[in-house]
Amino acid sequence: SQQGEEDPQALSIQEGENATMNCSYKTSINNLQWYRQNSGRGLVHLILIRSNEREKHSGRLRVTLDTSKKSSSLLITASRAADTASYFCATDAAGAQKLVFGQGTRLTINP
Amino acid sequence: GAGVSQSPSNKVTEKGKDVELRCDPISGHTALYWYRQRLGQGLEFLIYFQGNSAPDKSGLPSDRFSAERTGESVSTLTIQRTQQEDSAVYLCASSGTGARGETQYFGPGTRLLVL
Repeated sequence: SQQGEEDPQALSIQEGENATMNCSYKTSINNLQWYRQNSGRGLVHLILIRSNEREKHSGRLRVTLDTSKKSSSLLITASRAADTASYFCATDAAGAQKLVFGQGTRLTINP
Repeated sequence: GAGVSQSPSNKVTEKGKDVELRCDPISGHTALYWYRQRLGQGLEFLIYFQGNSAPDKSGLPSDRFSAERTGESVSTLTIQRTQQEDSAVYLCASSGTGARGETQYFGPGTRLLVL
């Protein structure tokens, strides 16, 4: 089963609104990352949060991590049409070097 | 190069044919990963190379799938006797050292369609 699972699967909001996506995982992690994917092509790294961090900001992005609940959230503030994409969380699998990706949240920003 | 590159961008093949996909990682990156992404799905790990160590092949779905990497450079993913279920985007990524949880840098992917 997937280590990371995003919620919701799809999200549609108006431009200017905030978008919140959630990710849950099952095992202990060193860090959690969020990636963005446009049009089913390569993923772009957005932000990494370490297991000893609770919140991190990067521009209009805010990521939180709650290791007790094994969950993370990605907030995009003041959304723009260009934010339309799929967003994936990825966690480092225990005992392995690979990242485990969730199914993603498909975000649509309506102008 | 500046980023991870993959070729071809798109590949259409007939069922039963073999295909070879290529990945050029970022120069100096020792770790290289292959993933498969079916339409509307998440990324499925296939294989991981780290320097001269034995690759982690735990994600390869069948013995029709194989991959090679020469040193710390180009990698090729080969799918033999392709099936329609192999249709997907194949993504390659590289990272600096392959340390656990390290950020990965992705190529644009190869979209494979098996007719």
